[in-house]
Amino acid sequence: KAGVTQTPRYLIKTRGQQVTLSCSPISGHRSVSWYQQTPGQGLQFLFEYFSETQRNKGNFPGRFSGRQFSNSRSEMNVSTLELGDSALYLCASSLVGQGFQDTQYFGPGTRLTVL
Amino acid sequence: AQSVTQLDSQVPVFEEAPVELRCNYSSSVSVYLFWYVQYPNQGLQLLLKYLSGSTLVESINGFEAEFNKSQTSFHLRKPSVHISDTAEYFCAVKIEGFKTIFGAGTRLFVKA
Repeated sequence: KAGVTQTPRYLIKTRGQQVTLSCSPISGHRSVSWYQQTPGQGLQFLFEYFSETQRNKGNFPGRFSGRQFSNSRSEMNVSTLELGDSALYLCASSLVGQGFQDTQYFGPGTRLTVL
Repeated sequence: AQSVTQLDSQVPVFEEAPVELRCNYSSSVSVYLFWYVQYPNQGLQLLLKYLSGSTLVESINGFEAEFNKSQTSFHLRKPSVHISDTAEYFCAVKIEGFKTIFGAGTRLFVKA
């Protein structure tokens, strides 16, 4: 079974631009979560989608948004990029996102650099 | 609110030496605990998890962690490390129905 895939792997943008990141979960997984990883803040939860609905949300400004499609693929969008948005963005998928037998599987991440 | 503290940001150790990566958490309700490992340029992989039952949990590559409720700790140990264990290790806490909270990470550096 293929793992979680994220595209693109690397991205360079300038301040003020917007960016869309994509995540394809493991086949059969319906929950997709997004995390931002930076050296200073560590791993921070952005949001979780399940069956095309946002189920949980972290403490990020409205510039960060996401969506999930009927095939469980998810996209994350960041508008009006700031230098501080430079980070590794990780996507994780799981079967249903609840219950402790339900393990999260992470993708390799998208490295976003904002200049 | 729940939180996770990893007490060491970096742990250098010689190959074949034992290692302990410390993790403490705070929560007013029962939690479930995880250790993840991140190798360079990769995402996180689940190393082991404590859900209930035996307080000592083991991974397939020789790591183990012990849940200590009275000390609210979930320290990760390995009796003899290898160069290939060099990675960043994250402790995480979850309450049912809520998001998972990750610690800041501990970078394990194994020296020859």
